[in-house]
Amino acid sequence: RKEVEQDPGPFNVPEGATVAFNCTYSNSASQSFFWYRQDCRKEPKLLMSVYSSGNEDGRFTAQLNRASQYISLLIRDSKLSDSATYLCVVTPTGNQFYFGTGTSLTVIP
Amino acid sequence: NAGVTQTPKFQVLKTGQSMTLQCAQDMNHNSMYWYRQDPGMGLRLIYYSASEGTTDKGEVPNGYNVSRLNKREFSLRLESAAPSQTSVYFCASSEVGQLGEQYFGPGTRLTVT
Repeated sequence: RKEVEQDPGPFNVPEGATVAFNCTYSNSASQSFFWYRQDCRKEPKLLMSVYSSGNEDGRFTAQLNRASQYISLLIRDSKLSDSATYLCVVTPTGNQFYFGTGTSLTVIP
Repeated sequence: NAGVTQTPKFQVLKTGQSMTLQCAQDMNHNSMYWYRQDPGMGLRLIYYSASEGTTDKGEVPNGYNVSRLNKREFSLRLESAAPSQTSVYFCASSEVGQLGEQYFGPGTRLTVT
């Protein structure tokens, strides 16, 4: 089983829609979690950390479900500029980290 | 601050040629990483350097060597390029203990013919 798994999509949603991605992880002892965004032909950029209590940054909400071992990213009121690939990162220990393969989002006018 | 810089941005090599990809960061980070990214494969770690003076293999180290020249610079060398090494290469850095918070360079697009 892979350490981190993501649905590759693509997710095609209309502007203004709400969309959610999940990322499952295999190591129940995983400590830290993050979401990255990668635009086409660009480098990945850190979008937000995922805290145990959940956290929100504008239209973006990240949540952690330790019981089911997944993290989620919710995007409300989708904009055309949200079109990108979203990568999750899980760090099982202080010396390990794993990137998911990414979920592709296209927001359609 | 420039963040993480990489040179060159593009490169075409013939099979068997060698080259070095350069990476530098100005964020005073201790840890640095080299990845390759191929369609459908996601990011795969080639080598990383937890701190100046140390390097370790990642998931796909074969065919590559690295040098942590100083705290700022971490280079990746292909000794004898092969078509299978055609890829986009990213360098990244992070602070010690914050492996999940990495800052990436713009990438090098390498084609080996």
